[in-house]
Amino acid sequence: GQNIDQPTEMTATEGAIVQINCTYQTSGFNGLFWYQQHAGEAPTFLSYNVLDGLEEKGRFSSFLSRSKGYSYLLLKELQMKDSASYLCAVKAAGNKLTFGGGTRVLVKP
Amino acid sequence: EPEVTQTPSHQVTQMGQEVILRCVPISNHLYFYWYRQILGQKVEFLVSFYNNEISEKSEIFDDQFSVERPDGSNFTLKIRSTKLEDSAMYFCASSEMGYNEQFFGPGTRLTVL
Repeated sequence: GQNIDQPTEMTATEGAIVQINCTYQTSGFNGLFWYQQHAGEAPTFLSYNVLDGLEEKGRFSSFLSRSKGYSYLLLKELQMKDSASYLCAVKAAGNKLTFGGGTRVLVKP
Repeated sequence: EPEVTQTPSHQVTQMGQEVILRCVPISNHLYFYWYRQILGQKVEFLVSFYNNEISEKSEIFDDQFSVERPDGSNFTLKIRSTKLEDSAMYFCASSEMGYNEQFFGPGTRLTVL
């Protein structure tokens, strides 16, 4: 079976950095994706890791360790608009995405 | 910027009725997907579609569900006889190739009464 775990909620201050961890146990691995989802809206793609290491994209970075079944999403210079849920999703076998429950990030002024 | 579109944005139906949810994937994408998200829960995979046939489906996607690409642009999800537990947000997604990132449409909120 597939198991993807991430914290339920995190709070951070505007301008700060927040790190959202994701651990996974899946049969097979073809990539890990991070999506942002504002309440009532669709998930929007943030980043993709298939090899170990850090991928940087502006204020967002994502890290992957396949041997540890671990990823994190780093959000720098937090803005109020970053308040949203962040979804970790794994592509195990085939092309389907298996999502974690999401981490709700609340940015406070 | 190209985007996935879905209609309607909200559908209310009576239990036992058939519904068809419509999607227009991004035009040069070859892989299409349906996911659903029950309120407050995680996003769940339903089905993937490539080259005019289903390539993968989940346990949720039983005989009550079907998908179709009736023409060169639309991709539909039909639920034959809706149940109360089918109430959810249904997202269509598409990707250029199977290994690429998937882009999600805005969703159709289905309410079954």
